[in-house]
Formats: sequence, structure tokens, C-alpha cells
Amino acid sequence: AQTVTQSQPEMSVQEAETVTLSCTYDTSESDYYLFWYKQPPSRQMILVIRQEAYKQQNATENRFSVNFQKAAKSFSLKISDSQLGDAAMYFCAYRSGSKAGGGADGLTFGKGTHLIIQP
Amino acid sequence: DTGVSQNPRHKITKRGQNVTFRCDPISEHNRLYWYRQTLGQGPEFLTYFQNEAQLEKSRLLSDRFSAERPKGSFSTLEIQRTEQGDSAMYLCASSLQGFSNQPQHFGDGTRLSIL
Repeated sequence: AQTVTQSQPEMSVQEAETVTLSCTYDTSESDYYLFWYKQPPSRQMILVIRQEAYKQQNATENRFSVNFQKAAKSFSLKISDSQLGDAAMYFCAYRSGSKAGGGADGLTFGKGTHLIIQP
Repeated sequence: DTGVSQNPRHKITKRGQNVTFRCDPISEHNRLYWYRQTLGQGPEFLTYFQNEAQLEKSRLLSDRFSAERPKGSFSTLEIQRTEQGDSAMYLCASSLQGFSNQPQHFGDGTRLSIL
């Protein structure tokens, strides 16, 4: 079974600064997908960024980028120019890509990192 | 844009009672997922539907839990003889079939409290 580990229960960053959230995972599969989701307090989970394991290029979405190290099974999220609205729980998630029909497994989540933005 | 809708938002019940939650996915999404999230943890996968077929169930889904998606649209999750340990946020998500990296869109969840 796959596991996802987020070793930072909480991170704090000054507004406008850059912060990196860590995620490692364990799998024996070669085909999979990785995601970062954001969950603001009492609000729904929102996709931040996604990465296909077969792609070497790191995904980027505006101020959000990932550092995907497949050999090291590491998938960190970098948030540049942090904003107050970035404050939330951030979850790293894994999804198998190996099943017929397109990787129908549910997501496996880490325990999350609570990101605090200091004004 | 109507997202994933879950009802009720909160449910408080006594131990031993049955509860049922409803999830309405995004209309064109044929895949629907249920997750459970306890305090301080990430969501845990419970079960998954493709159209009306329940294709996968986690070992977390004990025989007290049952999920249905009768017409491939909305889904219900029923918990029978609730226990204290069932207190959690129950999240529903939906996605579009086609590519494995299609993101799952989540609802606001139903928070269950067992007295």
C-alpha cells in the first residue's frame, strides 16, 4: 500500500516571502499522480497543483510550483510571494495510475501541514 | 458553476442511531468518491463509484457502512448503529472519467458528531 508523509505539522512564513512544504511518499508503482490540495478553515478542499510521475518537468501554477524528485520519492510545494489567503491546511496526495481505465483508486493523503501567514 | 453539494452540513445523533448523508456531484462527473476525515488527519478513502457501479471499497468501510448511487447521479452514505468512533467529517468528491490526473472536486463535507 502507498503511504504519504508530511513531516511538517505546521509552518509559518512572513507575507510576501517564500515557503516550501515537504512531502515524501512510498510506492512500488512507476505510474502515478501526485497532488497538493489546500483546505482553508471550514471550507472545502481545493486542488492547488498536480504532477504526473512520467513527466520530468516540474509543474507550476502561478505562485505555486513543485519540486518532484522521483528517485527520492519527494514532492515538495513551493509557494512564492505568500499571501494572507494562502493560510490553510495543505495536503499532499497520491493516486495510482496503474489500473485499467485510468487509475481508479481513491487518493491517499498525508496528514497535512498547517500553513500560517504572518502579516 | 455548481460544485459538489453535500447535505446535511452537520449531523448530531446519539450512539446507536442510523444516519444518512447525501452527495450531489458536479453534473457531468461520472466518478464519485467518499472519504472520511478525522480531526488532525488527512482524508481517508472509503469507496468509489463509476456511474452507478461501486467499484472499490476500503477496508475502513465496515459492514455498518453502505453507499449507493442508484441512478449514477447523487449518492448516499448510510451508517447503521453509529459508534463514537464514527465522529468525523465525511467528504464527497467527484471527477470526470478519461484521464487519471483528472482532479477530484470536493464538497464542503458533512460533520457527524456522535453523542
